[in-house]
Amino acid sequence: EVQVVESGGGLVQPGRSLRLSCAASGFTFGDYAMHWVRQVPGRGLEWVAGITWNSGTIGYADSVKGRFTISRDNAKDSLYLQMNSLRPEDMAFYFCVKDIGAHDYVFHVWGQGTLVTVSS
Amino acid sequence: DTQMTQSPSTLSASVGDRVTITCRASQSISSWLAWYQQKPGKAPKLLIYQASILEDGVPSRFSGSESATEFTLTISSLQPDDFATYYCQQYHSPQWTFGQGTKVDIK
Repeated sequence: EVQVVESGGGLVQPGRSLRLSCAASGFTFGDYAMHWVRQVPGRGLEWVAGITWNSGTIGYADSVKGRFTISRDNAKDSLYLQMNSLRPEDMAFYFCVKDIGAHDYVFHVWGQGTLVTVSS
Repeated sequence: DTQMTQSPSTLSASVGDRVTITCRASQSISSWLAWYQQKPGKAPKLLIYQASILEDGVPSRFSGSESATEFTLTISSLQPDDFATYYCQQYHSPQWTFGQGTKVDIK
């Protein structure tokens, strides 16, 4: 079964950092682009960051550019999101998402999400 | 950035109804549009991509169509499992934007 599972969410103070991880299984991780998409509870979806299969192309939403860093380790079937200088508006569920292809930007398989709470 | 505008925001319907949700792009996105379904407390699920291609395992009562920058998701006969929120998403150009969602609830 194709599966992605997030971890690392929690409560963090404004200005601090947090690192999310995503463990993939059931598919050849290194063949696919991967993304982070977030959702404020009760609100809509926002693409946060994406990385192609070989890390050759990385992109960020304007709202997180310069503060968040997406990375992957194909040997470990893992995706990461380093979040620095967190703001209250970053509070959301963060979903790890498998792309439908190597660089298609269709969000094919979603994790269950991990909640990031930014509050003092 | 390409803005995606969905309508309506909320739709009340009954089991067996034909339901249509519209998504309009602020500029041409060719056919690079996907539709997702999200139920409360769950992750979104891909339904349709490239405007009209049904994802594996999605019931055939779901269909997608396009006309220039206007895209439509149709449920031919609404089933109890279909009450959910639906989102469109363009993947023509960064920043890979979503519509604001359409909630389909029980009439």
